Amino acid sequence: KNQVEQSPQSLIILEGKNCTLQCNYTVSPFSNLRWYKQDTGRGPVSLTIMTFSENTKSNGRYTATLDADTKQSSLHITASQLSDSASYICVVSALNAGNMLTFGGGTRLMVKP
Amino acid sequence: DTAVSQTPKYLVTQMGNDKSIKCEQNLGHDTMYWYKQDSKKFLKIMFSYNNKELIINETVPNRFSPKSPDKAHLNLHINSLELGDSAVYFCASSKQGWDSPLHFGNGTRLTVT
Repeated sequence: KNQVEQSPQSLIILEGKNCTLQCNYTVSPFSNLRWYKQDTGRGPVSLTIMTFSENTKSNGRYTATLDADTKQSSLHITASQLSDSASYICVVSALNAGNMLTFGGGTRLMVKP
Repeated sequence: DTAVSQTPKYLVTQMGNDKSIKCEQNLGHDTMYWYKQDSKKFLKIMFSYNNKELIINETVPNRFSPKSPDKAHLNLHINSLELGDSAVYFCASSKQGWDSPLHFGNGTRLTVT
């Protein structure tokens, strides 16, 4: 069964600190993995996509990694800002008809001043 | 602004009623979706429409019916509402292609009393 598990479920950090969110998946055959940011009361917005051949990709202060062998991804946030407070959702796409998506439950990040 | 817009943002209604949620996208995308986000924040696919054809229906009760009058609209009709239908419903759209991100609306919070 395709599954995506994220950890931690929630995280509180001080403004300016770094943090790393984890995503483990069992989706097969793997196509790609995408991280979304969901602000409170809003829909998720794509941050970055990782394909099989990519190990690291950065988008500003966000850096995603992918280890396709261990089926793990991480999202590292550098120098956190109050606006980073949100839920971060890991979504894995299977390489099959319709590119079926499997969603993780998200990590709720709170950045405090 | 180019976006996925859905209305209403909040919907409070009694058990047994019938209600609709509207969704429009002006991104020119070929595929539109409805997702349900439960209290644990998991996003679950309900329907997707590609060029006015239903291509996914994930074991959703037949009380839920998507209606797509054209490529830019995908409305969600719900009959005989139940308490368990309370959730946040998100409309989304995407281009065709495995690497295309989902573009979400800001959600409709449905509360059934």
